[in-house]
Amino acid sequence: DAKTTQPNSMESNEEEPVHLPCNHSTISGTDYIHWYRQLPSQGPEYVIHGLTSNVNNRMASLAIAEDRKSSTLILHRATLRDAAVYYCILRDNNDMRFGAGTRLTVKP
Amino acid sequence: GAVVSQHPSWVICKSGTSVKIECRSLDFQATTMFWYRQFPKQSLMLMATSNEGSKATYEQGVEKDKFLINHASLTLSTLTVTSAHPEDSSFYICSALRRAEVKNIQYFGAGTRLSVL
Repeated sequence: DAKTTQPNSMESNEEEPVHLPCNHSTISGTDYIHWYRQLPSQGPEYVIHGLTSNVNNRMASLAIAEDRKSSTLILHRATLRDAAVYYCILRDNNDMRFGAGTRLTVKP
Repeated sequence: GAVVSQHPSWVICKSGTSVKIECRSLDFQATTMFWYRQFPKQSLMLMATSNEGSKATYEQGVEKDKFLINHASLTLSTLTVTSAHPEDSSFYICSALRRAEVKNIQYFGAGTRLSVL
């Protein structure tokens, strides 16, 4: 998988939107952008993924830059339960390898 | 949704003994399963990839004779940590790729925390 770069940590206030950035300047044309998150002491869970167009689901939105070299995961209203490590991963059909991710802290 | 069950969730064993961890896809068939290890404050590290009915492919640096992986059916994979030592204490997580999953989403188990005394 191509490399991704994310900030180590971010903070947010409860009920406010959160924008989690990810840089992936070496992305290839067939790489999908996947986001997973890992709550404390649990396995990762799928959040969202996309290829070129922005995507929305019940958990989050994914905004993908036009050149696909960066993307942003958007949590529209952060809750305390959203506190987790968020991983941005590029993949085609290969196995999934995790980077360090962004640790999101949500303050009440 | 797709559910992956991992058992046990927590195990303590004596040094030198072997421990088996099971990973089951409960409501789907998994063509490929993955095993990860995670040390405290670190990210997940891929250990091996296994396809049903064939030998697992191990990542560089992972001892295949120490971490035995069996993927005997489309819904079950097992990881056996043989002759466990304290340095093997870690959080082990499995994931599964659903057969004919066009989105390439991996579904993860809740993890197994192994403590070797």
